Amino acid sequence: GAGVSQSPSNKVTEKGKDVELRCDPISGHTALYWYRQSLGQGLEFLIYFQGNSAPDKSGLPSDRFSAERTGGSVSTLTIQRTQQEDSAVYLCASSPRTLGTSEAFFGQGTRLTVV
Amino acid sequence: AQKITQTQPGMFVQEKEAVTLDCTYDTSDPSYGLFWYKQPSSGEMIFLIYQGSYDQQNATEGRYSLNFQKARKSANLVISASQLGDSAMYFCAMRAVFGNEKLTFGTGTRLTIIP
Repeated sequence: GAGVSQSPSNKVTEKGKDVELRCDPISGHTALYWYRQSLGQGLEFLIYFQGNSAPDKSGLPSDRFSAERTGGSVSTLTIQRTQQEDSAVYLCASSPRTLGTSEAFFGQGTRLTVV
Repeated sequence: AQKITQTQPGMFVQEKEAVTLDCTYDTSDPSYGLFWYKQPSSGEMIFLIYQGSYDQQNATEGRYSLNFQKARKSANLVISASQLGDSAMYFCAMRAVFGNEKLTFGTGTRLTIIP
């Protein structure tokens, strides 16, 4: 596709349920990033993929959060047993691996609301 | 570890004036890239400008320029002739060129242009 695609755009879930957020990066982009942004706040790094491996997952806030990437393309961020503090916009970005000099392209985000 | 610091949570500037948004960083990586993004109220992340750590000249893109002072570890964004549409959150970010290409963001500056 033309840009980074995230689905769903909005998700309302009940506390305690599991959710899956999907990111479809720009074709050919080897780097993929997940961030979380609470209302009016900055971007909190969650995890970074290079191909299918995750060299840095230091930002995952708890073991309820996990992410995977398959085929060097689509990535899924899974949140188990959701809590109200998980409510935020989850942003995905992708970048070609050009020795770190290329900007990252962002999706429109998934707004997660835990009720 | 990388760290980005943006010390101005909010700024108000008169339309048509120039504005400087501050960004300082800390890294042990010898080669890195610095990025500025704009996030309007719509929520999309818009890439503005890039500066490489070994670039000899400061980057410019239209009304945006980057005042890069490597010894002081600062990468301030300068917006000339500000416009009402420049009102947004602005984020500074950095990424190593080699090794862990995690993209680290600062906390952002909310810029409001006053007519």
